[in-house]
Amino acid sequence: QVQLVQSGAEVKKPGASVKVSCKTSGYTFNDHYLHWVRQAPGQGLEWMGWINPDNGGTKYAQKFQGGVTMTRDTSISTAYMELSSLRSDDTAVYFCARDLGGSNYHLDYWGQGSLVIVSS
Amino acid sequence: DTQMTQSPSSLSASVGDRVTITCRTSHSISSYLNWYQQKPGKAPKLLIYAASSLQSGVPSRFSGSGSGTDFTLTISSLQPEDFATYYCQQSYTTPWTFGQGTTVEIK
Repeated sequence: QVQLVQSGAEVKKPGASVKVSCKTSGYTFNDHYLHWVRQAPGQGLEWMGWINPDNGGTKYAQKFQGGVTMTRDTSISTAYMELSSLRSDDTAVYFCARDLGGSNYHLDYWGQGSLVIVSS
Repeated sequence: DTQMTQSPSSLSASVGDRVTITCRTSHSISSYLNWYQQKPGKAPKLLIYAASSLQSGVPSRFSGSGSGTDFTLTISSLQPEDFATYYCQQSYTTPWTFGQGTTVEIK
């Protein structure tokens, strides 16, 4: 069965960086884009971008350009999202999600979420 | 960016009620519209994709309709496990955008 398992909670100071992992299993890693979505406490969902695991290509929301880096390690079917220069308003739960692709794009499997707290 | 406007932002309903949530987009997205359900402390769950296609394993009381700029999610007979927050999301163009969410509460 398809599974996306994310790394645990992190507490970071403002200005630091955080790297969240998303280990996948149950499907061919290279066949499906992986997206990152975040949710601030009590707020809605915010799309951050995607990575194409096949070639490492990425697309980021403009808001996160220059601050986010999405990478992958195909040998262990794992994707990563690194966010730098953290601010307090980056405190959120970060989700990875698989894009089924095909004729319509949608996120059919999600990780459990990784809480990142930014606090001095 | 494509703006997504969901309405209502919250509603109270009883078990067995028919519930309708609407999502309007700032410009046409064809049928690139998906609906997700989220319960507190959990990841979102895909319910409907491509505006009207039911995701595998999702009960048939959920249905979606619409195209262009106006979309609807309908729950035909609300069940206790359906109390949650629902989000629409467009995948027509990047950045993908979500509606602000509709919280369905118990009356």
